[in-house]
Amino acid sequence: KQEVTQIPAALSVPEGENLVLNCSFTDSAIYNLQWFRQDPGKGLTSLLLIQSSQREQTSGRLNASLDKSSGRSTLYIAASQPGDSATYLCAGVITQGGSEKLVFGKGTKLTVNP
Amino acid sequence: GAVVSQHPSWVICKSGTSVKIECRSLDFQATTMFWYRQFPKQSLMLMATSNEGSKATYEQGVEKDKFLINHASLTLSTLTVTSAHPEDSSFYICSARTLGGTYEQYFGPGTRLTVT
Repeated sequence: KQEVTQIPAALSVPEGENLVLNCSFTDSAIYNLQWFRQDPGKGLTSLLLIQSSQREQTSGRLNASLDKSSGRSTLYIAASQPGDSATYLCAGVITQGGSEKLVFGKGTKLTVNP
Repeated sequence: GAVVSQHPSWVICKSGTSVKIECRSLDFQATTMFWYRQFPKQSLMLMATSNEGSKATYEQGVEKDKFLINHASLTLSTLTVTSAHPEDSSFYICSARTLGGTYEQYFGPGTRLTVT
C-alpha cells in the first residue's frame, strides 16, 4: 500500500520567516512528486512538479526537492507572507493498472501571522 | 491555460435522491479525468479514472453502481451520486490531464455535497 506522510500536520510562523514542509513516502514505485496548495473549501493549485530525473524545482519563493533514495521531499518557502496561509499537499505519482495515479498526503496547514 | 471547472460548487440534497456533478476542461482537451473525494482533514482519495469514450475504472472499495461516471467528450465528465446517503456528504474534486501532455493533472475547484 502506498503511503504519503506529511509532517507537521500544522505549522504557524511569523511573517518573513523561511520554512520547510516535509513529505515522505514508503513506496519506491513513486517516481514523480507534486506539491499543491489548497485554500479552505477550494480545489488544488499545482505549485511544483518534480520528475524522477530531477532533484529539485524552483518557482519564485518556492523550492521543492526530491530524494527518491530516502523517500523524502521538502518544500521550502522563503520569506513567508500571510497570503501563503493554506494547506499544502504533496502527492506521489505511481503507475498502477497501466495508468498513472496520484497518492496524496493529508497535508500541512500553514498559518503565517502578520 | 489548463483551467478546469466544476458545477455546482455546492449542493444540498435529501437522502435517497441523486445528484450530478459536472467537470469541464475549459481550454484544453482531456483524454483522462479523475474523480477524488476528500473528507474533512483527510487527504484526497482517488475514486475513479475515466477515459473519454470508455468505461471508468474504479478504485477498490468504490461502488460503481452508486457513483456513476460518464466521460462522453474530451471536455466533459460527470459524476452522479445515486441514492445519496448522509455518509456520502463530502468534497468531490475532479482533475483532468491534457491530451498528449506530461503527466500533470489540473484540478477543478471542487463540489461540496451535503446529504440531509
